[in-house]
Amino acid sequence: GDSVTQMEGPVTLSEEAFLTINCTYTATGYPSLFWYVQYPGEGLQLLLKATKADDKGSNKGFEATYRKETTSFHLEKGSVQVSDSAVYFCAVEGGGNKLTFGTGTQLKVEL
Amino acid sequence: NAGVMQNPRHLVRRRGQEARLRCSPMKGHSHVYWYRQLPEEGLKFMVYLQKENIIDESGMPKERFSAEFPKEGPSILRIQQVVRGDSAAYFCASSPRDRDNEQFFGPGTRLTVL
Repeated sequence: GDSVTQMEGPVTLSEEAFLTINCTYTATGYPSLFWYVQYPGEGLQLLLKATKADDKGSNKGFEATYRKETTSFHLEKGSVQVSDSAVYFCAVEGGGNKLTFGTGTQLKVEL
Repeated sequence: NAGVMQNPRHLVRRRGQEARLRCSPMKGHSHVYWYRQLPEEGLKFMVYLQKENIIDESGMPKERFSAEFPKEGPSILRIQQVVRGDSAAYFCASSPRDRDNEQFFGPGTRLTVL
């Protein structure tokens, strides 16, 4: 079945630092890839997505590029803010509308 | 446009009782999904439903768990004879008919089994 591996947290950064959260996946066919964000006590919110190879998803300063050759979808942001502190989940949808999630990476941004 | 609604937000049950979790999808969405998040873990798919149909229940435990999405009313996830290991956050998501792979999540129901 599909699987997602993402870097373990917590990741602690200073405000305005550069962020990378690694994500690799295994899936058959041509999966769609997603990043979701979960703030404390809340449900998941879709942050960005990409549906085919070389697509770049972007939103709120976050970006991720669908790399089929390395089966990766790393999340990046050039300058993080305290308000970005949350748990970030990488997910793959390989068919059948079933999302498979990574275990999540907690991000803490400090002043 | 209201988002995905789940209730209750918090549910406490004693071992052996039944838990009923409700999910109202976003307006116009006909696909509903249930996921479970155990402490310190990611979300695990449980079941995918359309109105009056179970499409994929490959993630549902074989016993005690059931789900429905009737023609009228919310989707229900039912857990009979709960055990402590059922304690988790249960998230519902929905998607519109024509954009199946973008799922919108509700705030979750946090079930605690005493």
